[in-house]
Amino acid sequence: GAGVSQSPSNKVTEKGKDVELRCDPISGHTALYWYRQSLGQGLEFLIYFQGNSAPDKSGLPSDRFSAERTGGSVSTLTIQRTQQEDSAVYLCASSDRIRNNEQFFGPGTRLTVL
Amino acid sequence: GDSVTQMEGPVTLSEEAFLTINCTYTATGYPSLFWYVQYPGEGLQLLLKATKADDKGSNKGFEATYRKETTSFHLEKGSVQVSDSAVYFCALSKAAGNKLTFGGGTRVLVKP
Repeated sequence: GAGVSQSPSNKVTEKGKDVELRCDPISGHTALYWYRQSLGQGLEFLIYFQGNSAPDKSGLPSDRFSAERTGGSVSTLTIQRTQQEDSAVYLCASSDRIRNNEQFFGPGTRLTVL
Repeated sequence: GDSVTQMEGPVTLSEEAFLTINCTYTATGYPSLFWYVQYPGEGLQLLLKATKADDKGSNKGFEATYRKETTSFHLEKGSVQVSDSAVYFCALSKAAGNKLTFGGGTRVLVKP
């Protein structure tokens, strides 16, 4: 079946612009996660959605970062007023309680802020 | 807070050599432990996991044993292949379905 998909695969933007990154989880997965992979910080957790519960936003690095998950499916990560240090690969993952909560990762969106 | 420490790479090996990647963790309670692999140009994939002390996870010839006394989860493979060249990440989660805390990753290069 279809895996986790993310779009765009690459995004180049200018400092100060806003960007939106999209994640389509595996159908039926109730949990959705965003992570960031950067040279300086490694792989770090950003935000986690589980069903209709309030999201765990504890990993968001600043208030310029926000995320939504509409209808319990697709999620959008928004970065406002991008900075060069936001350059990274943004990874999305989803999981399903029935399959022991294994997280399946998407291919990522490579964000470059000039 | 919780953390995972793994040996820095790159690790360069010849085919059929023995591979060990050390991983230690700091966490309260009883986390689940994971090894993820990222092959060149591909996304992160779960390689193996262990959910309680003394459990051994295994997959594709790789093994790792959850050692609570040493807070470790070292990854081993007896005979590596060129196709095992990848970046390996050790990770933990505090509860089922919870967020993952990753180590820094170890790049492994296997030469023919």
